[in-house]
Amino acid sequence: QQQVKQSPQSLIVQKGGIPIINCAYENTAFDYFPWYQQFPGKGPALLIAIRPDVSEKKEGRFTISFNKSAKQFSLHIMDSQPGDSATYFCAATSGGSNYKLTFGKGTLLTVNP
Amino acid sequence: NAGVMQNPRHLVRRRGQEARLRCSPMKGHSHVYWYRQLPEEGLKFMVYLQKENIIDESGMPKERFSAEFPKEGPSILRIQQVVRGDSAAYFCASSPPGRGMSGYTFGSGTRLTVV
Repeated sequence: QQQVKQSPQSLIVQKGGIPIINCAYENTAFDYFPWYQQFPGKGPALLIAIRPDVSEKKEGRFTISFNKSAKQFSLHIMDSQPGDSATYFCAATSGGSNYKLTFGKGTLLTVNP
Repeated sequence: NAGVMQNPRHLVRRRGQEARLRCSPMKGHSHVYWYRQLPEEGLKFMVYLQKENIIDESGMPKERFSAEFPKEGPSILRIQQVVRGDSAAYFCASSPPGRGMSGYTFGSGTRLTVV
């Protein structure tokens, strides 16, 4: 049972474009939603995270939009750069077990120069 | 301050052999978590340990897999009698007590290949 569904599986944009990655969750107990960035041969690194009491969070060029009623959240990357090319994972966890991350399957983003 | 250190980076084992994966948490971190990443899949939680204690092993396969985090030394994920399906990247993360998810840091992983 996949509790966090992520799409698309891969995404190609031109430099300066705004890639959007979407995630949907099933477990209403989830209350913390981080996004991770992973480069080849490296571990995931926390990019940005949101809690369901806000609808949007922005850090630099990265924005999370959150729709609690639809149980969906998305990552937007403004003015994307070739250096943003990586695999992005959405994840979720709940206060009851706030150490156990449930990950989506990942989105391979390629930003062409 | 070194990050989470995992070794080896790459490990090749023949079917039936044992694999030992090591994880040294960041300084000051006493909580360790192991995740497995199968090809083209997201990471899946395996186990959560504190020093000398297994807190949650709900994601560990019931057979052949074990984990420990001794009082001294790194955390060890041990896979006995490996099979081809064990081929994956194994990631360790650590966190300090009381920081919750904000202190969660992953290592670079061990890529296990079973031939």
